Order: sequence, then C-alpha cells, then structure tokens
Amino acid sequence: GDSVTQMEGPVTLSEEAFLTINCTYTATGYPSLFWYVQYPGEGLQLLLKATKADDKGSNKGFEATYRKETTSFHLEKGSVQVSDSAVYFCALNRNAGNMLTFGGGTRLMVKP
Amino acid sequence: DGGITQSPKYLFRKEGQNVTLSCEQNLNHDAMYWYRQDPGQGLRLIYYSQIVNDFQKGDIAEGYSVSREKKESFPLTVTSAQKNPTAFYLCASSKSGLAGGTQYFGPGTRLTVL
Repeated sequence: GDSVTQMEGPVTLSEEAFLTINCTYTATGYPSLFWYVQYPGEGLQLLLKATKADDKGSNKGFEATYRKETTSFHLEKGSVQVSDSAVYFCALNRNAGNMLTFGGGTRLMVKP
Repeated sequence: DGGITQSPKYLFRKEGQNVTLSCEQNLNHDAMYWYRQDPGQGLRLIYYSQIVNDFQKGDIAEGYSVSREKKESFPLTVTSAQKNPTAFYLCASSKSGLAGGTQYFGPGTRLTVL
C-alpha cells in the first residue's frame, strides 16, 4: 500500500540556519504531495502542495519539489526563524479518492 | 469567517462511556474526514464521507461510528468498544472527494478517557 517516510526528529537548528526535512514515498499511480504544519495544541495547516512530477510548491519561504525519479518531496527553507518551530507532516493523496496518507511527522525546534 | 470548528477542545470521559465529538464546516465542502493522532505519530484515517448520507470506513474504524445527515456536519462517536480511545482527534474537509484536493483541518479535540 501507499506509505510516506519522514526523517525522525527532533531537528534542532539555530535561527537563520538552512532547513531540510526529508520525505520519501511509495505509491501507485501519480499522487499529489503535501506538507502540513502543526503548531502545539492545534490542528494541521497546509503549508504547500505539488500535484505532478517536477512541480515545486512554495509558501512562507518553504519549498519542496516533487521528484518522481527519487520518489521524494523534501522540505527546505533557507533561513529558519524561531516561529517555525512546529511539527511538519509530509502526506500524499491515495490513488482512490481523496484520502491522505501521512508520514510520522518531524518536530523542528529553532533556537534563538 | 469560513472554516472548520470542532468542539469541545478538551474532553474527559470515564471508561466504558460513549462520547460524540462535533465537527462543523461552513466551507460548502462535500467531503469530510476524521483522523486520529497519537503522541509522536502521524495521523490515521478513521472514517470519511464524500457526500451527504454516505460514508466509508478508513484504516482504523473499529470502535468508532459516524453520521452525515447534513453537509455541514460530521460527528464522530467513540464507543466503548474502542480499546484505547485517548488521543487527539482531527476533523478535515475538502471541496470534493476526488483525488488531489486539499484538505483543511479543524483545531482538534483532545479526548482523555479516565
């Protein structure tokens, strides 16, 4: 079945450091890929998405490129801020319907 | 403001009691979903509904039930048959049930069974 694998956290960075959170997937067909962010005690917010190979999703300085050849959708940001501290989830749309399969989440902690 | 509301934010129940979690959306979305999140883990799909008066089991439906009598509402009942109900429950909706659509999430309900 479909699955999403994320790097385990926590990831601890200093402010203004470069961020990469790895995400790889296994799926049949051509799923859409998503990054969601969850702040403490809250629901998930969509951060960015990509619907086909080589698409780049971007939002708030975050970027991720849909790489079909490596089945990856790594999240990057050039300069993180303390306010970026949260848990980040990679997800894909299953082939049938609109259900999401989530990775386990990666906690990011940014220190001033 | 358009969005998804879940109530209550925190819920405490005694073991063996059924409890119903509320989810309402005013986004005019056709599809709605319930997920469960356990500490340090990703989300798992409990039930989903692509249209009013229709719903399907997700990956972990045992011990849960839902109804979809109105487009705006998708309540989840956690029954006494659910062996480990303490978790964070998230409701989501999307414009349609077709693949590729973006899901929007509510703020969640944290259920603790004592």
